Amino acid sequence: AQTVTQSQPEMSVQEAETVTLSCTYDTSESNYYLFWYKQPPSRQMILVIRQEAYKQQNATENRFSVNFQKAAKSFSLKISDSQLGDTAMYFCAFMKQNSGNTPLVFGKGTRLSVIA
Amino acid sequence: NAGVTQTPKFRILKIGQSMTLQCTQDMNHNYMYWYRQDPGMGLKLIYYSVGAGITDKGEVPNGYNVSRSTTEDFPLRLELAAPSQTSVYFCASTRDRANYGYTFGSGTRLTVV
Repeated sequence: AQTVTQSQPEMSVQEAETVTLSCTYDTSESNYYLFWYKQPPSRQMILVIRQEAYKQQNATENRFSVNFQKAAKSFSLKISDSQLGDTAMYFCAFMKQNSGNTPLVFGKGTRLSVIA
Repeated sequence: NAGVTQTPKFRILKIGQSMTLQCTQDMNHNYMYWYRQDPGMGLKLIYYSVGAGITDKGEVPNGYNVSRSTTEDFPLRLELAAPSQTSVYFCASTRDRANYGYTFGSGTRLTVV
């Protein structure tokens, strides 16, 4: 079974600074997808960024980028120019790639606070 | 463009009572899921469905039941509620190619007292 580990329960960052959230995973699969989800105080789960394991290039979405290290099974999220609205829980998630349904497996989350 | 709609948003149940959490999506997604979120524990899969008439157990199915009579609806039934079922429940859906991430509902906060 796949497992996802987020080793930082809580983090804080000054507004406009850069912060990196860590995620490691354990799998024997070679093809899979990785995701970061954001959950603000509103409780809504919002997809931030996704990465296909077969792609070596790191995914980027505006101020959000990932550092995907397949051999190390590491998938960290970097938030640049942090904004107050980035304050949220962040969940790393894993999904096997196949033709059928494969549910997302989530880490326990990292609570990020952006300080003015 | 409603997406995934969950009702109710909040509910308090007494031990031993039953209830149904409703989930509806208007995106014609075949795949639907129920997760529960406990503090500090991330999201754990309760049940999922790959299409109308087909359901399967996830990681933590005990105490719950589901049905999928239509593509749009995927209700979660709690029978004989217990304090251990106090949690936030999320419904989610996705397209056939389950590699685009999920669309989540806004969640139901359930307290069993």
